[in-house]
Amino acid sequence: DIQMTQSPSSLSASVGDRVTITCRASQGIGNYLAWFQQKPGKAPKSLIYAASSLQSGVPSKFSGSGSGTDFTLTISSLQPEDFATYYCQQYNFYPLTFGGGTKVEIK
Amino acid sequence: QVQLVQSGAEVKKPGASVKVSCKASGYIFTSYGISWVRQAPGQGLEWMAWISPYNGNTNYAQKFQGRVTMTTDTSTNTANMELGSLRSDDTAVYYCARDSGELGHDSWGQGTLVTVSS
Repeated sequence: DIQMTQSPSSLSASVGDRVTITCRASQGIGNYLAWFQQKPGKAPKSLIYAASSLQSGVPSKFSGSGSGTDFTLTISSLQPEDFATYYCQQYNFYPLTFGGGTKVEIK
Repeated sequence: QVQLVQSGAEVKKPGASVKVSCKASGYIFTSYGISWVRQAPGQGLEWMAWISPYNGNTNYAQKFQGRVTMTTDTSTNTANMELGSLRSDDTAVYYCARDSGELGHDSWGQGTLVTVSS
């Protein structure tokens, strides 16, 4: 199985900050990498697919990059509604696997 | 708009089975796969299995093989996931998600809490 390692596992940031989360795959996955946002008690919401493509309706403050084994999610200017947990997922190989999550908290 | 509506919360005893349903609307049901993902309390996301409503093809995470059965009903646009031999560590929220191929899991159900307790 492909292991997805996210870092950091949590971070504290202020409104307006630029935030970057990284995700590393244990083997190459091309660009089959997705990012999800999850708020407490809610279903995950898809933000980015194919490593860098924004899902419909997702604001452009979210951006993704990378290919192969190393990927990043960047939030350009953190807003109150962005405080949540973020997960990466590889969907190139079965079993599909998720990273452990990054909790973004208010400083 | 695309919607996935799941069945309600369940409480089951150890050793029992549970069936969670996921009713799709707003798109052609047979054109997209359905994945099942679960989340134990306070934990991360865990992919369980995938089914094609078009031809019934399936893929399972090895840890669930033999314990999970997935079906689809194209007359009602509903996907079902049955998990057997329940244990306390199966207590989790179970989600269905539409698999849009290269676009990934772009729509999710609201989740179904399954509690396993004696």
